[in-house]
Amino acid sequence: EAGVTQFPSHSVIEKGQTVTLRCDPISGHDNLYWYRRVMGKEIKFLLHFVKESKQDESGMPNNRFLAERTGGTYSTLKVQPAELEDSGVYFCASSPTRDRIYYGYTFGSGTRLTVV
Amino acid sequence: GNSVTQMEGPVTLSEEAFLTINCTYTATGYPSLFWYVQYPGEGLQLLLKATKADDKGSNKGFEATYRKETTSFHLEKGSVQVSDSAVYFCALSDWAGNQFYFGTGTSLTVIP
Repeated sequence: EAGVTQFPSHSVIEKGQTVTLRCDPISGHDNLYWYRRVMGKEIKFLLHFVKESKQDESGMPNNRFLAERTGGTYSTLKVQPAELEDSGVYFCASSPTRDRIYYGYTFGSGTRLTVV
Repeated sequence: GNSVTQMEGPVTLSEEAFLTINCTYTATGYPSLFWYVQYPGEGLQLLLKATKADDKGSNKGFEATYRKETTSFHLEKGSVQVSDSAVYFCALSDWAGNQFYFGTGTSLTVIP
């Protein structure tokens, strides 16, 4: 089966610009997650979708970040306007609803965002 | 709250050396514990997991045992290879798997 696909793989933007990251989960996975790793630190949770609904968005850093999941399929994460501290690697993951612990999450390769 | 403390790197080993990467955790309830690996240019991959105390997860020669008494989940491998060079992340999840908590990652380089 195809894995979790993220694009772009790299993005360099100027402070104040807008960037949209996209994630295509594994087909049939109702759960979709966004995580972020900033400057070699720990990978931190941003939010969790179940189908098209936001289950938990407690990790979103501020209102410059907007995540959507259209029709319960792919998801986008928009940063507007971008700030320097938003630089990092953004990971997307998906999982089935049943037996999530047993199967774990499937992660994408990440989008490396650099804000200059 | 939940958190993971992981041995800082980078770690450089010669091929066939023994590897230990320490990981300790703080958690409420009964978490599951994981090791994820990120090879250069790739995404995070599940390496192994353990869902309850005293369970041992193993895969590709790597092992880790869920120690509740010491709140630890140290990763070990008896003989590393150059192909094991990667970044290793220790993680825990709540019982439902709704959220993962990761450590900072340990970069491993194995030299021939």
